[in-house]
Amino acid sequence: EDQVTQSPEALRLQEGESSSLNCSYTVSGLRGLFWYRQDPGKGPEFLFTLYSAGEEKEKERLKATLTKKESFLHITAPKPEDSATYLCAVQARNYGGSQGNLIFGKGTKLSVKP
Amino acid sequence: DTGVSQDPRHKITKRGQNVTFRCDPISEHNRLYWYRQTLGQGPEFLTYFQNEAQLEKSRLLSDRFSAERPKGSFSTLEIQRTEQGDSAMYLCASSLGMGNNEQFFGPGTRLTVL
Repeated sequence: EDQVTQSPEALRLQEGESSSLNCSYTVSGLRGLFWYRQDPGKGPEFLFTLYSAGEEKEKERLKATLTKKESFLHITAPKPEDSATYLCAVQARNYGGSQGNLIFGKGTKLSVKP
Repeated sequence: DTGVSQDPRHKITKRGQNVTFRCDPISEHNRLYWYRQTLGQGPEFLTYFQNEAQLEKSRLLSDRFSAERPKGSFSTLEIQRTEQGDSAMYLCASSLGMGNNEQFFGPGTRLTVL
């Protein structure tokens, strides 16, 4: 069964304290891995797509990396406005079946204190 | 604003009543998805459309749920005979398709069943 596990469930950082969030996945064939940011009461906001092992993407203080079994979201020198829940999702390559839906993890709730 | 829009943003209803939600995707996007999210969980896939064709339905989508996308533009999700367990955030997303799998989410409709 395709599944996504994120760790830790919650992370508290001081402003400027860099860290990483983990996303482990099991999927029959990976079409893509996606990172989203979600603020309370709002819909997920798209951050990155990664398609193959070794790929990296960067945006401001965020950097996403991908291996064959997991992805990391690295946060460098975070600011309080980076506080949010970060969601990881995979899209499976199911030949003859679903090619649409995303399978999400439960997310990591990040709090950055000034 | 050319993002995904959803209406209403909040809905409170009594158990047993029917409710209908609307989603307007990004205008050039061919694919439209519905997800459900409960507190502390990632979004869970419900159903997906390619233009006006409903291509997949999750086993989460019971007989009380029905979705349409009559002209390949906006979509509606109807829940009949609501139950307290239907209380959740209902999220709509759209993607360009044609090899571009990045899904962009709307703000969601928060349903509370009393």
